[in-house]
Amino acid sequence: EIALTQSPATLSVSPGERATLSCRASQSVGDYLAWYQQKPGRTPRLLIYDASKRAAGVPARFSGSGSGTDFTLTISSLDPEDSAVYHCQQRSNWPSVTFGPGTTLEIK
Amino acid sequence: QVQLVQSGAEVTRPGASVKVACKASGYSFSNYDISWVRQAPGQGLEWVGWGSPYNGNTNYAQKFQGRLTMTIDTSTSTAYIELWSLRSDDTAVYYCARDTALKDSVFPITDVWGQGTTVTVSS
Repeated sequence: EIALTQSPATLSVSPGERATLSCRASQSVGDYLAWYQQKPGRTPRLLIYDASKRAAGVPARFSGSGSGTDFTLTISSLDPEDSAVYHCQQRSNWPSVTFGPGTTLEIK
Repeated sequence: QVQLVQSGAEVTRPGASVKVACKASGYSFSNYDISWVRQAPGQGLEWVGWGSPYNGNTNYAQKFQGRLTMTIDTSTSTAYIELWSLRSDDTAVYYCARDTALKDSVFPITDVWGQGTTVTVSS
């Protein structure tokens, strides 16, 4: 099974600044990496799929990059509403997928 | 509108079984696969299994093999998971979710989620 690690576990950033979240896979997943945002008490929301493609309705300040084993989610110009847990998910052997442990993003 | 509505919260004992329902509406049920994901309290997301309403195929996470069954009733547009020999670490919110094929992606994306069903296993 492909394992995912995310760093940092918690990130605290001021509004208007940039946040960079990382996800690393235990083996190559190609470009088949997705990012989800989950706010407290809410269901996950797909932000990015195939490493860099934004899902419908996702603001342009969210961008994804990377391939193989190392991936990054960048949120430029943070808004207070971006406070959430961000999960990465590998889909390279879909339908069997795995999630990372999550990064908690706090807006100062 | 497109939605997945799940059955209500369950409280059960270790060693028992639980069955969670996920009823779809607002779209053609047979054309979209259903995945199940769970989230233990304060923890991350964990994939549980997947099923195809189109052909009935299923795929389960290795750790649940032998104690999980996913069934799909196309006549009522409802998917079910049943987990037995429950343990305290099965306590979690169980989500069903719809997988949607995209023209620009090899694999479907998960775009619609049920509201979640809290399953509590406690003696």
